[in-house]
Amino acid sequence: EIVLTQSPATLSLSPGERATLSCRASQSVSDYLAWYQQRPGQAPRLLIFDASNRATGTPARFSGSGSGTDFTLTISSLEPEDFATYYCQQRSDWPPLTFGGGTKVEFK
Amino acid sequence: EVQLVESGGGLVQPGGSLRLSCTASGFMFSNYWMTWVRQVPGKGLEWVANIKQDGSDKYYDNSVKGRFIISRDNADNSLYLQMNSLRADDTAVYYCARDMGEVSIQLWDSWGQGTQVTVSS
Repeated sequence: EIVLTQSPATLSLSPGERATLSCRASQSVSDYLAWYQQRPGQAPRLLIFDASNRATGTPARFSGSGSGTDFTLTISSLEPEDFATYYCQQRSDWPPLTFGGGTKVEFK
Repeated sequence: EVQLVESGGGLVQPGGSLRLSCTASGFMFSNYWMTWVRQVPGKGLEWVANIKQDGSDKYYDNSVKGRFIISRDNADNSLYLQMNSLRADDTAVYYCARDMGEVSIQLWDSWGQGTQVTVSS
């Protein structure tokens, strides 16, 4: 099973600041890594797939990078609606399909 | 507009059974892999099971294998999760989700609102 480790667990930032979230895989997932956003009380929403491709409707301030075992989600300038929890997910080797433990981006 | 609506959640005793349903609309249901994902309140996401378009392939997480059964009825645009021998650690919100593409991609761009399952005596 591929284990995804996200860091930090919590990121305390202010609107307008840059957010950098990390996801590390226990073995190479090539570029089969996705990012989801989940706001409180809502279902997850696909943001980025295959490491760096924005899903339909994802604003340009979100970008993904990385390959192999180390990945980054960057939010260039935080908007109020971006304060949420973010999960990475791999589809390289399954079953099982696995998620990281999440990074919560909270108001500083 | 793609819509997924889960139902069937509730309170059940340990060892009991529950059947979740997910009714789909707004897309050709029979063309997509479908998935169940669960989330313990306040915790992370956990993939549970998925099923191929025609139901011929099904996969499960080890934590539910042998206890849960995923199925679908393409004529009714419905996805199901039969949950047996329920345990306290099955308590979670259960989401159904649609694959992003019409081939097996295992990324999910449409989700239901979730249904709460609570296993407790």
